[in-house]
Amino acid sequence: SQTIHQWPATLVQPVGSPLSLECTVEGTSNPNLYWYRQAAGRGLQLLFYSVGIGQISSEVPQNLSASRPQDRQFILSSKKLLLSDSGFYLCAWNGGGNTQYFGPGTRLTVL
Amino acid sequence: AQSVTQLDSHVSVSEGTPVLLRCNYSSSYSPSLFWYVQHPNKGLQLLLKYTSAATLVKGINGFEAEFKKSETSFHLTKPSAHMSDAAEYFCVVPGFGNEKLTFGTGTRLTIIP
Repeated sequence: SQTIHQWPATLVQPVGSPLSLECTVEGTSNPNLYWYRQAAGRGLQLLFYSVGIGQISSEVPQNLSASRPQDRQFILSSKKLLLSDSGFYLCAWNGGGNTQYFGPGTRLTVL
Repeated sequence: AQSVTQLDSHVSVSEGTPVLLRCNYSSSYSPSLFWYVQHPNKGLQLLLKYTSAATLVKGINGFEAEFKKSETSFHLTKPSAHMSDAAEYFCVVPGFGNEKLTFGTGTRLTIIP
């Protein structure tokens, strides 16, 4: 069966520091992968999606970037965090038929 | 463009009573529709999905939803609420010809003991 992992689970970072969040999927090959952000009291916002290694589509221009160095690895990064980057970050993969399955999430607090 | 509207931001029910979470959709074609649940500080879990095979869809944990084209609705129901059902619920529609999901604003379900 397929499993999606995210780490770290929680992260507290100062403003201006770099960020790296990792997502990996097991049990499938060449999945479409997605990064979402959920800010406090708000819905989910699609940040990036990837249909293959090195292929990244950005949905919202912002302080973040994404990379896909391996087939089942998706990384979310920032060079300098802003306060507004705080939120709950979710990775997802497409299981076919437009159905997406989500990871456990990373809670990021920028102070 | 596809969209979903969750009619209630917060629903409270007593344990053992029925649950109704409402979702209306807007689409120029017959869409797929999903319900996801999110417990505090957890990822989203797929409850059920409608893909035009049957209008009444049964999901996990005793939930079900009925697709009503005439009413453009996809309401989520459960006959008897359990304390563990307390969570946020999202109605979701995918885009046409792509996999981008559009999420409703969510309904927070509170269960009163």
